[in-house]
Amino acid sequence: AQSVTQLDSHVSVSEGTPVLLRCNYSSSYSPSLFWYVQHPNKGLQLLLKYTSAATLVKGINGFEAEFKKSETSFHLTKPSAHMSDAAEYFCVVSDRVTSYGKLTFGQGTILTVHP
Amino acid sequence: NAGVTQTPKFQVLKTGQSMTLQCAQDMNHEYMSWYRQDPGMGLRLIHYSVGAGITDQGEVPNGYNVSRSTTEDFPLRLLSAAPSQTSVYFCASRPPGNFEGGYTFGSGTRLTVV
Repeated sequence: AQSVTQLDSHVSVSEGTPVLLRCNYSSSYSPSLFWYVQHPNKGLQLLLKYTSAATLVKGINGFEAEFKKSETSFHLTKPSAHMSDAAEYFCVVSDRVTSYGKLTFGQGTILTVHP
Repeated sequence: NAGVTQTPKFQVLKTGQSMTLQCAQDMNHEYMSWYRQDPGMGLRLIHYSVGAGITDQGEVPNGYNVSRSTTEDFPLRLLSAAPSQTSVYFCASRPPGNFEGGYTFGSGTRLTVV
């Protein structure tokens, strides 16, 4: 079985300050992990993915995430927030072996960026 | 344009009515799936298909039917709509064997059942 827990339902930052969105996962085998972003009334866009290569993954728009197996975490970070980063972010796990690549989503974290 | 197309974008139904949400992709993806999105719950898998003629249930299948007669289309049917089915529905697809991502999502259908 696989599951994802996003530790914060809402995160609020000021423009230009760092962003940290926290994600813990559970997976029976070697997981693939993803971060998706959803802007208001829009579809889902892939930010980045981890698939057992480098543990530090760089994505679009300056975001990156680090896979830490010992902590079962996959936190999303960005050094400096921009107003356009305001959106909802989803951490997603997929177990290649047992789930045929089906995606399991976290509950989502709403990021607010203040001027 | 290549991608996943969902229709309609918005729909209001009365309790007990039936309707079909359409999903079509032109990328020759074998794997297609339907998710519903509810506030504070992320996206939950309703049904999925690994190819034409093959479908299976996801996490929340009750109240929904699917079929897959072609590679391109994967419609989701609500036989008797209930207010609990008010949600945003997303269709997604990925190429065969690509378990490590490569999902393409549609833009969603916002359904309200009154």
